[in-house]
Amino acid sequence: KAGVTQTPRYLIKTRGQQVTLSCSPISGHRSVSWYQQTPGQGLQFLFEYFSETQRNKGNFPGRFSGRQFSNSRSEMNVSTLELGDSALYLCASSFGQGTNIRAFFGQGTRLTVV
Amino acid sequence: EDQVTQSPEALRLQEGESSSLNCSYTVSGLRGLFWYRQDPGKGPEFLFTLYSAGEEKEKERLKATLTKKESFLHITAPKPEDSATYLCAVQGTGGFKTIFGAGTRLFVKA
Repeated sequence: KAGVTQTPRYLIKTRGQQVTLSCSPISGHRSVSWYQQTPGQGLQFLFEYFSETQRNKGNFPGRFSGRQFSNSRSEMNVSTLELGDSALYLCASSFGQGTNIRAFFGQGTRLTVV
Repeated sequence: EDQVTQSPEALRLQEGESSSLNCSYTVSGLRGLFWYRQDPGKGPEFLFTLYSAGEEKEKERLKATLTKKESFLHITAPKPEDSATYLCAVQGTGGFKTIFGAGTRLFVKA
């Protein structure tokens, strides 16, 4: 069974640009969550999608947005990039219902803003 | 607000020296408490889910336990390959947001 796939693995962008990251969940999983990981803040929750609907959102500015498609694949977008957006962005997928909520993570996308 | 605090921040052990990692949590109704292992440059790897106080789960040298306020990850006779950051997380019944602790970095020396 294929795991969670995130693309690209590495990205370098300039301040002010925008970026789109992609996440393909495990087959059959309908929930996708996004996290930002930095050395100082640890893993911070961005948002969670289930069946194309955003069910929860973390405390991030509106420059961070996401969406989920009918095949459960998800994208997150960051507009007007700032130096502080440099981080490892992780996607996790889970079945998302009942007690089957354990999440499986991808390898992450390492974003560097210069 | 849901909160997770892990201690210690870092732990250095000799191979074979058993110890425990602590995860204290505050959540309004627990849907699940999770333990993950993360190696440098990689995504977290799922270890356990605990759902209610008194529950215990084991996997090889690891055993996770849960009370109403905290969880422990016991490591028995650790090996150098157990060196990693161990993350604790909770999901409350108020939503579908999973909150992570800062993690405990474990170093096991041969």
